[in-house]
Amino acid sequence: EVQVTQSPEALRLQEGESSSLNCSYTVSGLRGLFWYRQDPGKGPEFLFTLYSAGEEKEKERLKATLTKKESFLHITAPKPEDSATYLCAVQAGSNYQLIWGAGTKLIIKP
Amino acid sequence: DAGITQSPRHKVTETGTPVTLRCHQTENHRYMYWYRQDPGHGLRLIHYSYGVKDTDKGEVSDGYSVSRSKTEDFLLTLESATSSQTSVYFCAISGRDSEAFFGQGTRLTVV
Repeated sequence: EVQVTQSPEALRLQEGESSSLNCSYTVSGLRGLFWYRQDPGKGPEFLFTLYSAGEEKEKERLKATLTKKESFLHITAPKPEDSATYLCAVQAGSNYQLIWGAGTKLIIKP
Repeated sequence: DAGITQSPRHKVTETGTPVTLRCHQTENHRYMYWYRQDPGHGLRLIHYSYGVKDTDKGEVSDGYSVSRSKTEDFLLTLESATSSQTSVYFCAISGRDSEAFFGQGTRLTVV
């Protein structure tokens, strides 16, 4: 059974304080790992797709990395506008459905 | 923003009544999904479609049905709404091996 676990559940940081969010998964035959951002009252917004261990992708203050068992979303010098819930999902094997983690709520204080 | 429109955005309904939520896309994507999102849970797949009239169940399909008569429209019906179906419902679209794009969600309250 595919399981996706995100940690921590919530993270409070001061503006400029860098940190990382974790997404661990138990799956064989990973086809893709996806990161999304969700603001209150809105649908998830796509950020990144990672396909193989060692891959990295960046967008502004965010960098996503992937190993064989987990992915990290690194946030460098965050700003209050980075506050959101960050979701990860995996796609594996012959099933193209996404399996979602419960998310990490990130709060950046000015 | 991806061309996905969900309607209605908010709805309050009574227990036992049928409810239909609509998802409309302008992107001509083959795959469409209905999810529900509840506090403490990740997004959970209700039903999905891989083409016109081709649909299948997700992990939480009991009490829900779907229809897709046109590429652009995917309907979710709660046959007899219960309080446990109070939730936020999201529609999503995607290509086969590509990222999913989400609508703005429908907040449904069953009283």
